[in-house]
Amino acid sequence: DAMVIQNPRYQVTQFGKPVTLSCSQTLNHNVMYWYQQKSSQAPKLLFHYYDKDFNNEADTPDNFQSRRPNTSFCFLDIRSPGLGDAAMYLCATSRVTSGLLEQFFGPGTRLTVL
Amino acid sequence: RKEVEQDPGPFNVPEGATVAFNCTYSNSASQSFFWYRQDCRKEPKLLMSVYSSGNEDGRFTAQLNRASQYISLLIRDSKLSDSATYLCVVNGPNDYKLSFGAGTTVTVRA
Repeated sequence: DAMVIQNPRYQVTQFGKPVTLSCSQTLNHNVMYWYQQKSSQAPKLLFHYYDKDFNNEADTPDNFQSRRPNTSFCFLDIRSPGLGDAAMYLCATSRVTSGLLEQFFGPGTRLTVL
Repeated sequence: RKEVEQDPGPFNVPEGATVAFNCTYSNSASQSFFWYRQDCRKEPKLLMSVYSSGNEDGRFTAQLNRASQYISLLIRDSKLSDSATYLCVVNGPNDYKLSFGAGTTVTVRA
């Protein structure tokens, strides 16, 4: 059974047209993350929620916003997508415990900007 | 300086060969270390955690060298299915934030 689900798997949008990507989890993990990954690059953390607390990375553009209405769901909003925002967007979750920490990833949403 | 650096490869090896590669990390306070595997156009998946004393999982062996701030992964008896990109991952300044390397690509040929 899928534990971290992302929809849609593929998203095509036009330059400047807002888009929302969704993530849901059945793991009841308290931390949820959004990463951007471009070809042959490391996943880049955009922001994360620790419970209800939103944490933005310093270099995440203002164009990117996020919402977490409840424990299970998290959304990534791209207000005005540019060509440079075309990438794979990965949602991940983790349960913060002492010791080793593993993140579970969803299958990703591949965003194309025309 | 990047937080996690890896040799991008690719490492092209024949089936049955042994392949090993390292990554270095910059944060001496890091406590958690992982190797993730990522297949082409798929999400990263945990391959194994890396423990201080080193650990083995089947054909995979991971080592940690805190003094020199690097971790290594060794794959014995390579299979075609081992072809993938291997991401080195360490925890960042916050325990629950991970820093990813850009990955080392391994291609196993028949």
